[in-house]
This record gives sequence, C-alpha cells and structure tokens, in this order.
Amino acid sequence: QQQVKQSPQSLIVQKGGISIINCAYENTAFDYFPWYQQFPGKGPALLIAIRPDVSEKKEGRFTISFNKSAKQFSLHIMDSQPGDSATYFCAASGAGGTSYGKLTFGQGTILTVHP
Amino acid sequence: SQTIHQWPATLVQPVGSPLSLECTVEGTSNPNLYWYRQAAGRGLQLLFYSVGIGQISSEVPQNLSASRPQDRQFILSSKKLLLSDSGFYLCAWSPLGQIYIEKLFFGSGTQLSVL
Repeated sequence: QQQVKQSPQSLIVQKGGISIINCAYENTAFDYFPWYQQFPGKGPALLIAIRPDVSEKKEGRFTISFNKSAKQFSLHIMDSQPGDSATYFCAASGAGGTSYGKLTFGQGTILTVHP
Repeated sequence: SQTIHQWPATLVQPVGSPLSLECTVEGTSNPNLYWYRQAAGRGLQLLFYSVGIGQISSEVPQNLSASRPQDRQFILSSKKLLLSDSGFYLCAWSPLGQIYIEKLFFGSGTQLSVL
C-alpha cells in the first residue's frame, strides 16, 4: 500500500516532443505528490509538486496532471530539450499514518531527448 | 543558505569489510535527516530517517545501521558489508516539523561497490 508505481522505465523523445511519465498509488493517505529530477552522479532535486485539491499544475514546460479518483498522476514535459535528459522520479507523502514525514518514490524513468 | 555534504563520492570495499558514510548539513538547525539507497531500476529506497539526535527509525531490515551523534550529522554504517549492499547511497534533509515534505534536499551521493 506504500508503493508508488512509475512507468515507463525508460523513454526516448525527439527534441521538441512531449515527454509523458505516469505514476499510480494505492495509499489514500497520500496527499502530496512531487516530481524529482536527477542528473547522472548527482542527487535528485525537486522539480514540481502538486496537492490533490487541484487537477493540474504548470511551471514553465513542466506540467503535473492529477486524477484523484484514479489515484494517478503524470508529468508532462512540453518542447522537450536535450538538457532535460535525466532520471525522473515521482513521489508521494501524506500528513498522517505511516506515511507521515516521509516520501515514497517511484522506480524512476530514464528520459533521453535526442537532438 | 543550507548545504549538505556527503562523502566519499565513490567507495570500493571488499565483502566483509566495515562501512562508514558521513553526511553533514550546514545552515539549518534540527533538520530531519534521511538515508536512501538507489539501486538500478529500483528507485529510491528509504533506509533510515531521524528527527533528532539519537532518534533513528529504520525502514527496512538490513545489514546497515545509522547514527546521529550531532544535530546536523548523520552516519550510515555496517560492520560487515555484503555484495547486496552495493548501490548509490544518498543522504537528504528536510526542515523539522513539516507535515508535508515541501522539499527534500539531497546530497550528491556515494557510489558504493562491494566486491
């Protein structure tokens, strides 16, 4: 019930295309959903996050779409650039229960954007 | 500004040898501290977290232990390394008292190879 399932494991996109990464969760106590971006040899860094009171959040070329009833959320990268090539992790945390104060991460998606 | 230091960056150890990885945070007080392990294709697994000096919670049974001897110091240890302990180890911190982890700040990681 603590798992966050992420897909696909890897994704190849042409420059200018749209990259879409999907995540699904089971724990209904989760109510904070961030995405992290990790470049090789570095620690992950927060990219964008959403709470379930909204269905979409956009920051520049990055958009999170959230479907509370389906317990799914996704990251869309518009106009993908080679500099976006990285590993992306979705995550979830909640205010109560065993998820309190902790982030549960998905398995990660390796995104490659070809020039 | 807050910074997190983690060392060493890479480590090659023989099976059965001890391990000590150190992490320190600067520029903040009373942080929550975390150790994550990242294995290829398996995302980020939370190993330990700490909300204060001497307070350690273990997420998974394993060959590793953690200690927090000072407010901003977090140490990951093992008495005898196993092959399965190989991986990328990440230290992270978040501000104390956050119900939601608004931001989890990661160190640059230690790539551990047990041979």
